[in-house]
Amino acid sequence: EVQLVESGGGLVQPGGSLRLSCSASGFIFSTYTMHWVRQAPGKGLEYVSAINSNGGSTYYADSVRGRFTISRDNSKSTLFLQMSSLRGEDTAVYYCAFGASIDYWGQGTLVTVSS
Amino acid sequence: DLQMTQSPSAMSASVGDRVTITCRASQDISNYLAWFQQEPGKVPKRLIYAASTLQSGVPSRFSGSGSGTEFTLTISSLQPEDFATYYCLQHYSYPYTFGQGTKLEI
Repeated sequence: EVQLVESGGGLVQPGGSLRLSCSASGFIFSTYTMHWVRQAPGKGLEYVSAINSNGGSTYYADSVRGRFTISRDNSKSTLFLQMSSLRGEDTAVYYCAFGASIDYWGQGTLVTVSS
Repeated sequence: DLQMTQSPSAMSASVGDRVTITCRASQDISNYLAWFQQEPGKVPKRLIYAASTLQSGVPSRFSGSGSGTEFTLTISSLQPEDFATYYCLQHYSYPYTFGQGTKLEI
């Protein structure tokens, strides 16, 4: 069974940093492009970032480029999202996902940016 | 970045109605288009991929069509469990982009 379990969310002050993790199981992690998608409270889905299977290519939405860094550890089947210079508008549930058209989603982890 | 314009943003309908939701891409995306359903407090669920291929287990009242820049999701006969928010997603180029969402209400 495919499982994606996010962790690392919480309350952080504006300007602060946070690292999200996503532990994957039930599929061959090292062969898939992985994604992060977020959803602010009461708002729509927003695509955040992607990383290809070997970590050699990364992609970002304009809203996070230069502040967020996606990475992966294929030996541990884990995906990461390092977030820095956080702003109030980054408050959201962050989902880890994979699949060419995002077939599979984790349950999400809530990040709250507030003083 | 490629933009996806989804309409309407909200609509009211009744059980048994036929409804259509539209997504327009800012450039040709071939058939790299998926549709998702999200119920309140739940994780999005993929309904359709490759513009018109029904996800396994999804009722046949859902259908998708289109290619290039114009796409539609049709629900042929609304059921009570279909009242949710629907999103399109282009996966033709990075960064992927979602439509703004359509909230389907009774």
